[in-house]
Amino acid sequence: DAGVTQSPTHLIKTRGQQVTLRCSPKSGHDTVSWYQQALGQGPQFIFQYYEEEERQRGNFPDRFSGHQFPNYSSELNVNALLLGDSALYLCASSWGQVNQPQHFGDGTRLSIL
Amino acid sequence: GNSVTQMEGPVTLSEEAFLTINCTYTATGYPSLFWYVQYPGEGLQLLLKATKADDKGSNKGFEATYRKETTSFHLEKGSVQVSDSAVYFCALSDPTGGYQKVTFGTGTKLQVIP
Repeated sequence: DAGVTQSPTHLIKTRGQQVTLRCSPKSGHDTVSWYQQALGQGPQFIFQYYEEEERQRGNFPDRFSGHQFPNYSSELNVNALLLGDSALYLCASSWGQVNQPQHFGDGTRLSIL
Repeated sequence: GNSVTQMEGPVTLSEEAFLTINCTYTATGYPSLFWYVQYPGEGLQLLLKATKADDKGSNKGFEATYRKETTSFHLEKGSVQVSDSAVYFCALSDPTGGYQKVTFGTGTKLQVIP
């Protein structure tokens, strides 16, 4: 049973560019959440997708957007990259929306030069 | 808003020592509480959970009890091993509004030395 898979594992971009990160949820899960984890910090909630719609959003600018597909996989897009966007981006999936443990992928390490 | 406060690390212990990592929370609703562990270069793994007051979560020798009166969820283990070296995150999930938004603490790094 495959867990949460994320791609790519590492990515290097320059300021001003755009990036797309991808996530496939654990089998049987229908809800996907994205987090940003800066070095030495806890994950910060970006947004959550359920039934192909963004259901809740954290304190992130509109440069961060996402999408969920009918097969429950998801993408995170970040436009106009800033140096401060350098972080580990984690995808988590769960079944249903409320109070279910989230299963995390290993993340995508994004470095902005 | 919701918040989670963890004791700062790093915590360095000798093998077989007793471990306590303190965690307190602030939440507007009736949250579920979690401990996640992150090994170097990996994502977060769920270690244990508790969904209501006085519940005790346990896994792999780790335990934590949901204390509503003190808004705490301290992680304990009676005898740590070198393989327990990792970063531990306390987290809460508040179902207010019908959606799951997980709030994490800043993490506590544990180093166990032989």
